[in-house]
Amino acid sequence: AQKVTQAQTEISVVEKEDVTLDCVYETRDTTYYLFWYKQPPSGELVFLIRRNSFDEQNEISGRYSWNFQKSTSSFNFTITASQVVDSAVYFCALKGQGGSEKLVFGKGTKLTVNP
Amino acid sequence: EAQVTQNPRYLITVTGKKLTVTCSQNMNHEYMSWYRQDPGLGLRQIYYSMNVEVTDKGDVPEGYKVSRKEKRNFPLILESPSPNQTSLYFCASSPGARWGTQYFGPGTRLLVL
Repeated sequence: AQKVTQAQTEISVVEKEDVTLDCVYETRDTTYYLFWYKQPPSGELVFLIRRNSFDEQNEISGRYSWNFQKSTSSFNFTITASQVVDSAVYFCALKGQGGSEKLVFGKGTKLTVNP
Repeated sequence: EAQVTQNPRYLITVTGKKLTVTCSQNMNHEYMSWYRQDPGLGLRQIYYSMNVEVTDKGDVPEGYKVSRKEKRNFPLILESPSPNQTSLYFCASSPGARWGTQYFGPGTRLLVL
């Protein structure tokens, strides 16, 4: 069975702080993809990043960075110099080799950035 | 603009009154899927479609029907809604390449009284 665990239910920071959202996954598939999605208060799901199981390079996109470590089955997300607009629920998701192409989501981490 | 659209965005209905939530994408994606999001349960897949006329059950298909007569549309049908189907529903699509990224519609909030 596939599983994604986001142990941090809620995080609250003050603007300009750095914050890391943790994601730990479980799968027996040798090939898989990991994703992060953002759900702002308006409710939509916004795609942030996709990473495949063969690519462990870290990625940086502006203030966002992702650290993928197969050895610890983790795919953590860091926001540098957080802003109020970063307040949202962030979901980590896993897609394995199953035919349904379904995404297995973590329960999400609610991030609140206070001014 | 490339997008997935859903209608309606908000719906209040009563038990047993058939309803349809439409989903449409303009990206020529082969794969489409429906998820529901519930507090404490997260996002779960209801149905998916690999291509036109090809649909299959996800993890929680009971009480739902789908059809895929055209590539761009994937409506979700609740023949006899019940209160336990009160939820936030998302439609998603992806190019269909095996590892395509799924892009989500804006969501439909459904309340069944």
